[in-house]
Amino acid sequence: EPEVTQTPSHQVTQMGQEVILRCVPISNHLYFYWYRQILGQKVEFLVSFYNNEISEKSEIFDDQFSVERPDGSNFTLKIRSTKLEDSAMYFCASSGARGGGDTQYFGPGTRLTVL
Amino acid sequence: AQSVTQLDSQVPVFEEAPVELRCNYSSSVSVYLFWYVQYPNQGLQLLLKYLSGSTLVKGINGFEAEFNKSQTSFHLRKPSVHISDTAEYFCAVSDPNTGNQFYFGTGTSLTVIP
Repeated sequence: EPEVTQTPSHQVTQMGQEVILRCVPISNHLYFYWYRQILGQKVEFLVSFYNNEISEKSEIFDDQFSVERPDGSNFTLKIRSTKLEDSAMYFCASSGARGGGDTQYFGPGTRLTVL
Repeated sequence: AQSVTQLDSQVPVFEEAPVELRCNYSSSVSVYLFWYVQYPNQGLQLLLKYLSGSTLVKGINGFEAEFNKSQTSFHLRKPSVHISDTAEYFCAVSDPNTGNQFYFGTGTSLTVIP
């Protein structure tokens, strides 16, 4: 069964450093998403991406964040200058179609720890 | 904006006992509702979803959920749990009209005790 994969599973970085989290969505999907979950809190939407551009983003997704689909398979989330409060589990998701009813398929997450 | 409340952060239950994981949402408009499960070191896996029609939705692994519009709830149930059901369970909603975002609850950690 096709699945979303994410690398690395755990990333430790120093405050102020740049990190890139990588995701490989399901191959025939067209919509891609990033969510994050700070320990003990809700899973929060960050951004959605379609047709090589951001289609929706939340207030969390400020100028420190960017997303890219550099080739036909990868979908990346970059944090330019990490802060302590960026420590969280980051989930990538993909779906075949837009619309609230379409299932989003999630990866296993990358745990980001900012020291 | 929509929000989801999962009232129980941890639910311990004995094997073969029934379980109910509670989910309430706040929205003045119609919604789509989802339950996801996360096993250790794995991604969020869809258990079931409600889009329209029958309010009782059956999912994988013997789980079911009932949509109750008047109580704005979508509680997840299983009549007899197994050790392998130990996992984190997330309730989520989305707006049928705008669609992209899923709004999640904080999750409920289900521990099945042998």
